Amino acid sequence: KAGVTQTPRYLIKTRGQQVTLSCSPISGHRSVSWYQQTPGQGLQFLFEYFSETQRNKGNFPGRFSGRQFSNSRSEMNVSTLELGDSALYLCASRPGGSSPDTQYFGPGTRLTVL
Amino acid sequence: GQQLNQSPQSMFIQEGEDVSMNCTSSSIFNTWLWYKQEPGEGPVLLIALYKAGELTSNGRLTAQFGITRKDSFLNISASIPSDVGIYFCAGQRGNTGKLIFGQGTTLQVKP
Repeated sequence: KAGVTQTPRYLIKTRGQQVTLSCSPISGHRSVSWYQQTPGQGLQFLFEYFSETQRNKGNFPGRFSGRQFSNSRSEMNVSTLELGDSALYLCASRPGGSSPDTQYFGPGTRLTVL
Repeated sequence: GQQLNQSPQSMFIQEGEDVSMNCTSSSIFNTWLWYKQEPGEGPVLLIALYKAGELTSNGRLTAQFGITRKDSFLNISASIPSDVGIYFCAGQRGNTGKLIFGQGTTLQVKP
C-alpha cells in the first residue's frame, strides 16, 4: 500500500498570507490527524478528522483550520501567517475503527514564514 | 502543550552497544507508541503497545508498556550506524487520533 502523502513538501510564505496544505491518507484509512513540529515545542496535535467531521482539536488558535473530503483526503489551512507558524506540519492516518489503532505519518510539509 | 517526559535527551554511543530510553507521564495511557524520525522525514512507527505489562520486540528493538500505564521504555540491542535518528515515545488515550509526544531522544552511533 502507498503511504501517507503530503503536498507540497516545502513552502515559503510571508507574514499575513494564508496557506493550504494537503494530505492523502493510506488507502482505507478514514482518520487523518495533523501535527505541528517545532524545535521549541516538539510535536503538537492540531486536530483529527474522521468521516469528514472534526473529532478532536488541540490547543491552537482559530487561524488553524482543516477539513476532510469524502475520499478521506484532508487539507489544513493557516490564515494570517505569523513568523512562529514556521514549522514542519505532519499528517498521520489510521483506520479509525472501534479498536485502538496506530497512526502512520507522512513526510511532512516544511513551512517557512518570512 | 502537554508532553511526556522522555529521557535521555541525547545519546552518543559506540556501534555494538545496547541503548535504553524511557518515557514517563503523570497520567495513564491506553496505548504507547515508539517512532523514529530521520532528517527531512516524518516519524516512522517502530513498535505499538496496547496492554499494560506488554513486552514487544521488533528485530533488535524491544519495548514495554509499564504496568502502571504511565511509562514505557525502548531498548535497542547491538546498535548499528543506521540506528541514528530521533526516537519519540507517544501516548494515546482511548480510541482518539490525538497523540501526546515526548521531547525525543537523539541517538548518535559511532562506527
